[in-house]
Amino acid sequence: DTEVTQTPKHLVMGMTNKKSLKCEQHMGHRAMYWYKQKAKKPPELMFVYSYEKLSINESVPSRFSPECPNSSLLNLHLHALQPEDSALYLCASSQLPGTNTQYFGPGTRLTVL
Amino acid sequence: GDSVTQMEGPVTLSEEAFLTINCTYTATGYPSLFWYVQYPGEGLQLLLKATKADDKGSNKGFEATYRKETTSFHLEKGSVQVSDSAVYFCALRPQGGKLIFGQGTELSVKP
Repeated sequence: DTEVTQTPKHLVMGMTNKKSLKCEQHMGHRAMYWYKQKAKKPPELMFVYSYEKLSINESVPSRFSPECPNSSLLNLHLHALQPEDSALYLCASSQLPGTNTQYFGPGTRLTVL
Repeated sequence: GDSVTQMEGPVTLSEEAFLTINCTYTATGYPSLFWYVQYPGEGLQLLLKATKADDKGSNKGFEATYRKETTSFHLEKGSVQVSDSAVYFCALRPQGGKLIFGQGTELSVKP
């Protein structure tokens, strides 16, 4: 089983709202990732968690705040977003950091009004 | 730095036509190579992969061979179906490094 799940599937929020995206995997993977994808573009890496610790932040604005409560869960907390943050947010996981195949979830389509 | 170049789309084919999507890469060392597919409104799915030179990845009738001498990983399918309409991303992962994507190629298959 190579399933990564994400909730919600769709999210609409105002610029003053606080919301969270959730990602879960039960494959025992120790690396988890957040990507942002704009329409018809490749995904852009945002954050990498390695053994539940943040190992890479690709200079993402502080209005995006990741959290890894345990080895199976990854959250992305959103606050004071801008309309240009509207995108598909993809979570991925891999067995180990820096190696192996990354498996992606179905994504959360975020619209910021 | 490491990079991936894919043929530009959109590519439009008739059902049962032969498909080739070109992918070339620049990398030091021995990266792993991947093809991901993204169907409309969905996330990325791993289509196939190859981890060393001359490896052939295959899945659902798609094939790609890791060619180190030409630094290529072209995707092929002998007979496409309407259901293959999607965006295809070639990607590489250097050892210990991040996943690097090509720009994606949109495929449209007409009945």
